[in-house]
Amino acid sequence: SQTIHQWPATLVQPVGSPLSLECTVEGTSNPNLYWYRQAAGRGLQLLFYSVGIGQISSEVPQNLSASRPQDRQFILSSKKLLLSDSGFYLCAWNTQVNTEAFFGQGTRLTVV
Amino acid sequence: QQQVKQSPQSLIVQKGGISIINCAYENTAFDYFPWYQQFPGKGPALLIAIRPDVSEKKEGRFTISFNKSAKQFSLHIMDSQPGDSATYFCAASDSGGGADGLTFGKGTHLIIQP
Repeated sequence: SQTIHQWPATLVQPVGSPLSLECTVEGTSNPNLYWYRQAAGRGLQLLFYSVGIGQISSEVPQNLSASRPQDRQFILSSKKLLLSDSGFYLCAWNTQVNTEAFFGQGTRLTVV
Repeated sequence: QQQVKQSPQSLIVQKGGISIINCAYENTAFDYFPWYQQFPGKGPALLIAIRPDVSEKKEGRFTISFNKSAKQFSLHIMDSQPGDSATYFCAASDSGGGADGLTFGKGTHLIIQP
């Protein structure tokens, strides 16, 4: 069966520090991968998506970047965190457009 | 991204009652409409989904009603239980729009009072 792993679960980082969040998927090949950010009262905002290794599309200009070094690995990064980067970050995958998207358990990032 | 507008933002229902959450969309190319359920500190999980070839889909106590002409869809939870207390998100996507994922509503915080 397919599973998605996302870590860490919680993270407290100072302003200006770097960030690396990792997401891996097991049990499937060539998934579409997604990074969302969830802020209170604002729903889920799509940040990045990827349809294959090295292919990254950005939905929102921001202080973040994403990479997909392997087929089932998706990384969210920042060189210098801002206070506004605080939020709940979710990784998700699906096999095709317009099919069920499976979410990881999320990372609660607090920038202080 | 095209918007999906969800209401109400929060909802309190008595145990055994019917919970109703509404969503409206703008993009007529949307052709997949899922509802996700999220518990605190967890990722969302698919609850039920509908495609525009049907006007209603029922799975247990959960029903999606879909009105294509009005560009609206809603989630009904029958016999609501305290365990249904969660945040619910409607979403939509366009199969011809590339792999850019789902457009989500802002969520409804549902509380079922015992």
